[in-house]
Amino acid sequence: DTEVTQTPKHLVMGMTNKKSLKCEQHMGHRAMYWYKQKAKKPPELMFVYSYEKLSINESVPSRFSPECPNSSLLNLHLHALQPEDSALYLCASSHGRDYEQYFGPGTRLTVT
Amino acid sequence: GDSVTQMEGPVTLSEEAFLTINCTYTATGYPSLFWYVQYPGEGLQLLLKATKADDKGSNKGFEATYRKETTSFHLEKGSVQVSDSAVYFCALLKAAGNKLTFGGGTRVLVKP
Repeated sequence: DTEVTQTPKHLVMGMTNKKSLKCEQHMGHRAMYWYKQKAKKPPELMFVYSYEKLSINESVPSRFSPECPNSSLLNLHLHALQPEDSALYLCASSHGRDYEQYFGPGTRLTVT
Repeated sequence: GDSVTQMEGPVTLSEEAFLTINCTYTATGYPSLFWYVQYPGEGLQLLLKATKADDKGSNKGFEATYRKETTSFHLEKGSVQVSDSAVYFCALLKAAGNKLTFGGGTRVLVKP
C-alpha cells in the first residue's frame, strides 16, 4: 500500500481564520513533506520532517506552522493567510531521504 | 545548482500515437530520476524511477532510461490512450538529500 491521505480535500478560509491541514501515512515512512503547488507549476517544497523532527524549512512565512505529532501524522497549521497563499497543498512521504516520495491527493486551499 | 528541463507543452496527440517527453538534468554526482504524473484535480503519482546509469524504469506501458552520458531521462509510451491525458513531471533526487528538483511539467492531451 502506497497511500498518503490528506484532509480536507477543499478548504475555503478568510484571512483572519485559523485552520489546519492533515496528512497521514501508514507505510512506516520516516520522512514526511509539505509542498505548495500553484496552477501550472511544479510543486515547491515547504517543510521536511525526518524521524518526527523538522529538518528543512524552505524559508516559509510563519503564518504556516508545521507539526509532526507522530511518525504517521503531519499537520500544517494556517493562520492569517493571504489570498496569494491560495494553492494546492500536497503532503508526501518516503522511507528516508534517498528514497522516492509518495504524494497525497492534496488540499485545495482558497483564501478569501 | 541542480536543475531539470522538460519540453514545454502542451503536447497534443491522437489516441494510439507514440509519446515522447524529453527531460534533461544538471546535477553533480549520481541522482535518482523520477517521472511523476498528475491527473486533473489530483496529487502527483509516481510513474517510474531509475536510480543509476542505464537503469530502465517502466510502468503502465511507459518507459524511461537513465542516460548519464547525455544527462537525460526521456519518457516514452508506444500507444497512448485518452486516459493518459495529464501533466507529467520529471524530477531528480540527490543522494543524501530530501529535496526533489522538478522540471516545469509537460501537459499531454490525447484526443480520441
